[in-house]
Amino acid sequence: QVQLMDSGGDVVQPGGSLRLSCAASGFSFKIFGMHWVRQAPGKGLEWVAFIRYDGVNQYYADSVKGRFTISRDNSENMVYLQMDSLRPEDTAMYFCAKSECTRTSCLLWADYWGQGTRVTVSS
Amino acid sequence: EVVMTQSPATLSVSPGERATLSCRASQSVTSKLAWYQQKPGQAPRLLIYGASTRATGIAARFSGSGSGTEFTLTISSLQSEDFAVYHCQQYNNWPLTFGGGTKVEIK
Repeated sequence: QVQLMDSGGDVVQPGGSLRLSCAASGFSFKIFGMHWVRQAPGKGLEWVAFIRYDGVNQYYADSVKGRFTISRDNSENMVYLQMDSLRPEDTAMYFCAKSECTRTSCLLWADYWGQGTRVTVSS
Repeated sequence: EVVMTQSPATLSVSPGERATLSCRASQSVTSKLAWYQQKPGQAPRLLIYGASTRATGIAARFSGSGSGTEFTLTISSLQSEDFAVYHCQQYNNWPLTFGGGTKVEIK
């Protein structure tokens, strides 16, 4: 079955960097686009970034544009979120999620989610 | 960006009763609207996509309707496992956006 395992969350100081990872299994990873979504403590969901199946196109929320970079390695079934210039407001649980966006049909809902990895930005 | 507004913020319902949750978009998102259920300490779970199509394995008591800017999620007869937070999301425009969520609690 589809499994997404998020990892890499930690406590980091403001201005620092962190790389989150998501290991995918149970589906043909290389044909589906992938999301990162976050949830600050006690708050709602916030979409963060998306990468197409081939990694050529990425999309970002305005709040992270220029600071975060989404990437993927289709040979390893991994998706990453490189987070630089971290701010206290980036403190959240980060989830990776699979989309139904392929080369032929791009449907952007998130049908499977990882369990999340916690990022805390604090001095 | 498209602002998604969910109402009410909290809905108190007795088991067996019907629950109606609303989601409004600041501009048309056609039918590109999804609903998710989230329980404490868990990841969200996809319930509905395309405004009205149930995801795999989702019980028939969950139904979605609407298009354009007004959407509704209805739970026809609340079961104990349905008490949770429900989020709507539009995927018609970048950036994708979520509503603030509706918490369905036991009355």
